Amino acid sequence: SQTIHQWPATLVQPVGSPLSLECTVEGTSNPNLYWYRQAAGRGLQLLFYSVGIGQISSEVPQNLSASRPQDRQFILSSKKLLLSDSGFYLCAWSVMGVRPLPYGYTFGSGTRLTVV
Amino acid sequence: RKEVEQDPGPFNVPEGATVAFNCTYSNSASQSFFWHRQDCRKEPKLLMSVYSSGNEDGRFTAQLNRASQYISLLIRDSKLSDSATYLCVVNNNAGNMLTFGGGTRLMVKP
Repeated sequence: SQTIHQWPATLVQPVGSPLSLECTVEGTSNPNLYWYRQAAGRGLQLLFYSVGIGQISSEVPQNLSASRPQDRQFILSSKKLLLSDSGFYLCAWSVMGVRPLPYGYTFGSGTRLTVV
Repeated sequence: RKEVEQDPGPFNVPEGATVAFNCTYSNSASQSFFWHRQDCRKEPKLLMSVYSSGNEDGRFTAQLNRASQYISLLIRDSKLSDSATYLCVVNNNAGNMLTFGGGTRLMVKP
């Protein structure tokens, strides 16, 4: 069966520090991968998605970046965090090439980031 | 107009009540529809897919109205454990990309 792992679960970082969040998927190949952010009491905001190794699409311009160095690995990074980067970061995956989707996205357990 | 719109609530209902949520979507070409459930401080999880003919899973019934472009979720005999935020999810015209509504918060009271 497929599983998605995301870490760390919580993170407190000072303003201006770098960030690296990692997400890995097991039990599937060529997944579509996504990074979302959810601010407190708000909806999900799509940050990046990837349809393959090295292929990253950005939805919202900001000081974050994403990389996909391996098929089932998705990394969210920042060189210098801002206070406004605080939020709940969620990685998700879906099958590729199936239309319509048989099910929605499967999310990792999330990283709660507080920038202080 | 937002791609996917939901009443944010909260819907406060007593245990045992029946409650219904609606969600409207803007893209008439959408093909996939889902309801996700999100508990406080947790990740969203798939509750159920929504099929054209409507579908039921225990106390939960989902319906799709393509003509009016809305999806509904009906919860019968509400339980305290049903308290959560319910996210309406629709695929856009770009294949596997899903758009999430802002969620409807349900609070079931004893």
